[in-house]
Amino acid sequence: NAGVTQTPKFRILKIGQSMTLQCTQDMNHNYMYWYRQDPGMGLKLIYYSVGAGITDKGEVPNGYNVSRSTTEDFPLRLELAAPSQTSVYFCASSRVTGGSGGAETQYFGPGTRLLVL
Amino acid sequence: GENVEQHPSTLSVQEGDSAVIKCTYSDSASNYFPWYKQELGKRPQLIIDIRSNVGEKKDQRIAVTLNKTAKHFSLHITETQPEDSAVYFCAAGKSNFGNEKLTFGTGTRLTIIP
Repeated sequence: NAGVTQTPKFRILKIGQSMTLQCTQDMNHNYMYWYRQDPGMGLKLIYYSVGAGITDKGEVPNGYNVSRSTTEDFPLRLELAAPSQTSVYFCASSRVTGGSGGAETQYFGPGTRLLVL
Repeated sequence: GENVEQHPSTLSVQEGDSAVIKCTYSDSASNYFPWYKQELGKRPQLIIDIRSNVGEKKDQRIAVTLNKTAKHFSLHITETQPEDSAVYFCAAGKSNFGNEKLTFGTGTRLTIIP
């Protein structure tokens, strides 16, 4: 298994440009997440999905959009890039079942480093 | 929503000594507490986790303790080694009718001094 993969690894955007960060997992996980990590800071949840066709906002959703048309893929869209979106973006996935009794281990992708100038 | 505070933000210990990182959480309904290790330029990786029905869990040199009453949990690393140098994140999560998600602390940069 490749686990969670993300593309691209690094990207430079100009202010106002748009782009899509790709995330794919091959572990048949139902839950997927997008986080951003600013320098020296923790992880902040942008959006998450509990299954194909279902998405919900996290702590910092403004300026981003997501979709989940398949179990495997969870792309993150930036429509009008701003310098404040300069960050490292991590995608994660987990397998949550009805009998799990709580949140489950999240497996992270390698990250996408985004610079907006 | 949940708020997780983590201390200290930086920690330096001599090789072979122990390191302790502490976290507090605000939501008494949280029932899952993982710890992640992130090496420079790498992804966060789970090193140990604990659920609210357990007070302590050990895995070789790593242990986590949970005090539900006080709403705090701690990571203990014994016999530290240079490869333990990294940023460590605590997190808290709960099962909430299909909205399972984690709230992360701000991280502790651990440096092991040879």
